[in-house]
Amino acid sequence: GENVEQHPSTLSVQEGDSAVIKCTYSDSASNYFPWYKQELGKRPQLIIDIRSNVGEKKDQRIAVTLNKTAKHFSLHITETQPEDSAVYFCAASRGGADGLTFGKGTHLIIQP
Amino acid sequence: EAQVTQNPRYLITVTGKKLTVTCSQNMNHEYMSWYRQDPGLGLRQIYYSMNVEVTDKGDVPEGYKVSRKEKRNFPLILESPSPNQTSLYFCASSRKAGGMNTEAFFGQGTRLTVV
Repeated sequence: GENVEQHPSTLSVQEGDSAVIKCTYSDSASNYFPWYKQELGKRPQLIIDIRSNVGEKKDQRIAVTLNKTAKHFSLHITETQPEDSAVYFCAASRGGADGLTFGKGTHLIIQP
Repeated sequence: EAQVTQNPRYLITVTGKKLTVTCSQNMNHEYMSWYRQDPGLGLRQIYYSMNVEVTDKGDVPEGYKVSRKEKRNFPLILESPSPNQTSLYFCASSRKAGGMNTEAFFGQGTRLTVV
């Protein structure tokens, strides 16, 4: 089955700086790559997703890039703010009956 | 309001006492699944359902059962809970668009402790 590796497990950045979280996946048939944000004590919520026919997608301060050849995708957050502090999960899926295979998560800490 | 509702939010039980965690969605989604979240392990899929009466095992199904008698409901059943099932559980639902995944909506979570 699919295997998703996520790095780093913890990332501390100064407020206003950029943060990058990277994921690799194993199944070349995967075609959907969402990113979820989970604040403390809350449920995961989708912040951005990308499909395999697109190389990059942006939504305000958040962007995701996908390299299908290398089988990796990354989340970029620019101009970080205190409310960006959370755990971020990447995921991959082939579709069909397959659900989402998640990475182990990255705890993003925004230092004031 | 579109939502996925789980109950209960918190549950403490004893080893071997059967329990059910309910999950209901109001978005008419075909696909529903259960995940458990453990520190350092992320979210792992327990069971999923493609539609009514269609269920299958995920990555960590041992010790769990599910049923899908109605499209909106997808209960998780622990017939004989054990301490290693102490975890945070999430139900999720999503629409399948042409067989492709779309956004998964998560319930509020159920924190289960088995003593």
